[in-house]
Amino acid sequence: ETGVTQSPTHLIKTRGQQVTLRCSSQSGHNTVSWYQQALGQGPQFIFQYYREEENGRGNFPPRFSGLQFPNYSSELNVNALELDDSALYLCASSLFPGLNEQFFGPGTRLTVL
Amino acid sequence: GQNIDQPTEMTATEGAIVQINCTYQTSGFNGLFWYQQHAGEAPTFLSYNVLDGLEEKGRFSSFLSRSKGYSYLLLKELQMKDSASYLCAVMDSNYQLIWGAGTKLIIKP
Repeated sequence: ETGVTQSPTHLIKTRGQQVTLRCSSQSGHNTVSWYQQALGQGPQFIFQYYREEENGRGNFPPRFSGLQFPNYSSELNVNALELDDSALYLCASSLFPGLNEQFFGPGTRLTVL
Repeated sequence: GQNIDQPTEMTATEGAIVQINCTYQTSGFNGLFWYQQHAGEAPTFLSYNVLDGLEEKGRFSSFLSRSKGYSYLLLKELQMKDSASYLCAVMDSNYQLIWGAGTKLIIKP
């Protein structure tokens, strides 16, 4: 059984560019949640996907968008990058939405210059 | 609004006991989680409370009082490897996790 994986590990972009982050959920998990964690802060919920449909969204602008694929892997896309988008982006998978424990991937460290 | 409060930083001695408090105000409640996060790494699950009372799991215990909007994580027999940030998170009525900023725990020999 493989755990949650994310790619890339680190990424450097400049303001205005676009970025795509990827996440493979743990085997058997059909729910993926994305979080943004700024340095010294707790994670902030971006959105969740369940069986390829968005299943809840946090307080993030529309330039943050996502996808979930039939194999339950997921992408987070961010357009028109801003300096404040620099953060650790975490993906977590769970058996289904709701009360289950979420298993986190190692994260992608995004730096926007 | 929704709010999770926990101390920014705590210091304790190896072998001792430490209690990390968390208070919350959220729209609905579907359980409270504690996660451990080492610097530069992803959070790892420690405990989940949905009913009032104490849940014990080895050296770690977690307590919940829903009427008071309060939880604590108790760490016993502290080890140097317990130096990390401890995050309190509440699942709200929409089943979304609302996170505190984390408590950085420093263990001294």
